[in-house]
Amino acid sequence: DGGITQSPKYLFRKEGQNVTLSCEQNLNHDAMYWYRQDPGQGLRLIYYSQIVNDFQKGDIAEGYSVSREKKESFPLTVTSAQKNPTAFYLCASSRGFGQAGYSNQPQHFGDGTRLSIL
Amino acid sequence: AQKITQTQPGMFVQEKEAVTLDCTYDTSDPSYGLFWYKQPSSGEMIFLIYQGSYDQQNATEGRYSLNFQKARKSANLVISASQLGDSAMYFCAMLNTNAGKSTFGDGTTLTVKP
Repeated sequence: DGGITQSPKYLFRKEGQNVTLSCEQNLNHDAMYWYRQDPGQGLRLIYYSQIVNDFQKGDIAEGYSVSREKKESFPLTVTSAQKNPTAFYLCASSRGFGQAGYSNQPQHFGDGTRLSIL
Repeated sequence: AQKITQTQPGMFVQEKEAVTLDCTYDTSDPSYGLFWYKQPSSGEMIFLIYQGSYDQQNATEGRYSLNFQKARKSANLVISASQLGDSAMYFCAMLNTNAGKSTFGDGTTLTVKP
């Protein structure tokens, strides 16, 4: 079955440490997204990518970095510069260009990674 | 800048009744898509329904329908015949056609009472 796999499900970070969250999709989707969700809150866009080797900052990119070297992979690194990283992180993908550009393509989500500070 | 506003933090509905979840949006892009997602307590995000900015008719998917009023920039979700399994958080989202950027609202927590 096609889908999006996020790993690990739970992750702990020590002070001053960088950690990388994995996101892999086998849906052959062009676009991929990273969101942060704090308890009881909505999703905030961190980074998004429309094609391989290209990505754009979302609304809260500071303290995060990404790469898109392969179509199916979009890892997110939470750097030590992110002072409050404890949150639920969701990765999503979509087909990208459709009949109306991007606008008619729903996003498919992974099961998320819960990141906590030790 | 684009923005999604969901003004109802929490809603209650009796089982088998209909409920409307509000969503208003703001964008300068003439072409966009509006989506509703459901997030149960387990955390996964489930796509429910889509409405394009140029669509003339309101979208429907089973018990879900979208009341799209473009002039008022609103895209309310209507759930008919509520079921206990509908209890979850519901998010309205918008996707910008040109930039591919997405924006989510803060969500509405729906509780269905037996």
